Amino acid sequence: DIQMTQSPSTLSASVGDRVTITCRASQSFQTWLAWFQQKPGSAPKLLIHKASILESGVSSNFSGSGSGTEFTLTINSLQPDDFATYYCQQYYIYPWTFGQGTKVEI
Amino acid sequence: QLQLQESGPELVKPSETLSLTCSVSGDSLSNSAYYWGWIRQPPGRGLEWVASVYYSGSTHYNPSLQSRVSVSADMSKNQFSLELNSLTAADTAVYFCVGLRQFGGLPVKWGQGTLVTVSS
Repeated sequence: DIQMTQSPSTLSASVGDRVTITCRASQSFQTWLAWFQQKPGSAPKLLIHKASILESGVSSNFSGSGSGTEFTLTINSLQPDDFATYYCQQYYIYPWTFGQGTKVEI
Repeated sequence: QLQLQESGPELVKPSETLSLTCSVSGDSLSNSAYYWGWIRQPPGRGLEWVASVYYSGSTHYNPSLQSRVSVSADMSKNQFSLELNSLTAADTAVYFCVGLRQFGGLPVKWGQGTLVTVSS
């Protein structure tokens, strides 16, 4: 299985901050990586796929980059609605695997 | 607009079998662009892909669960189902049904999730 490791596990930030979350993979897989946002009591929401392609309707405040084994999710100016937990997921090879999550808190 | 809705028991006993169903609306289960699957999340923890099924009947399972899990699709009802046997407390989780694209790897649409507790 491909192991996905996110850092940090928890991130404390303020409204307006620029935030970066890193996701590292145990083996290389080009750009078959997605990012999700999850709020308490809700299903995850797909933000980015193919490492950098923003889903329709997702704020351009979010961006993704990387390939191979290292990927980043950047929130350019943190908004109140962005406080949530973020997960990366590889979909290069079965079994699909997720990072452990990064909680962005105030 | 594609929508998914899980149904099934909220409480099951250890060693028993869990059966969950996902009802799909707004699209057909036979749409070749989608795989249909299950992802679970233990309380307070991360996400784990469980299994997926394609309209052709092709299935994929997480090796960590493969000996206990089965997934199937009922085209006539536009539903797909999950069975997980030999349950333990470690199977307590929110179970999400999902529609996956990009060769079945990308969960683009999620159900709201259903919490299943394994306890006697």
